Amino acid sequence: GAVVSQHPSWVICKSGTSVKIECRSLDFQATTMFWYRQFPKQSLMLMATSNEGSKATYEQGVEKDKFLINHASLTLSTLTVTSAHPEDSSFYICSAPPREIYGYTFGSGTRLTVV
Amino acid sequence: QKEVEQNSGPLSVPEGAIASLNCTYSDRGSQSFFWYRQYSGKSPELIMFIYSNGDKEDGRFTAQLNKASQYVSLLIRDSQPSDSATYLCAVNSGYALNFGKGTSLLVTP
Repeated sequence: GAVVSQHPSWVICKSGTSVKIECRSLDFQATTMFWYRQFPKQSLMLMATSNEGSKATYEQGVEKDKFLINHASLTLSTLTVTSAHPEDSSFYICSAPPREIYGYTFGSGTRLTVV
Repeated sequence: QKEVEQNSGPLSVPEGAIASLNCTYSDRGSQSFFWYRQYSGKSPELIMFIYSNGDKEDGRFTAQLNKASQYVSLLIRDSQPSDSATYLCAVNSGYALNFGKGTSLLVTP
């Protein structure tokens, strides 16, 4: 199988607080995890790639200090949105790299609303 | 800048008809091509992927790839109202996927 479990599904937080989003690969090991962000009616945009045992790779324009990514183990990657602001409100989705017939497996996504 | 372009739609087809979704990409080095379906507020679901030029069929779905024209399409036969969703074209030009903005499909009963 190729299941990626993402939590929470949705979260509402106050401006200035931090939010952690977790993605776990349930039936396989993932040394890499891709993190995407999707604004309404927009495409999924790659934010960063987490790597187990090394630093994450961020896409151009993504603030490293604001979006903290940690790949703690072969089955867990986390994204922490620090000092969240309303403009960070979006749909965040993780994805494991392609595997055999499964292609890229996506988590269920996290709807973040910052008020 | 690696671009993946799709017509945003909405594309409206009657139930039972063939829906044709198109996608072009800019990176000639792209190796694999994916079609995902995304319902509002949900994560993308893989429909199928294609690596080689030509057609690939899976049930009611057929993906077509033309690398020379940098064009990939998805045909949905016998469209059903439950097929109404946004269809995302994604291209692997390295390791992660590069997505188009998606085409909204509406299948009317």
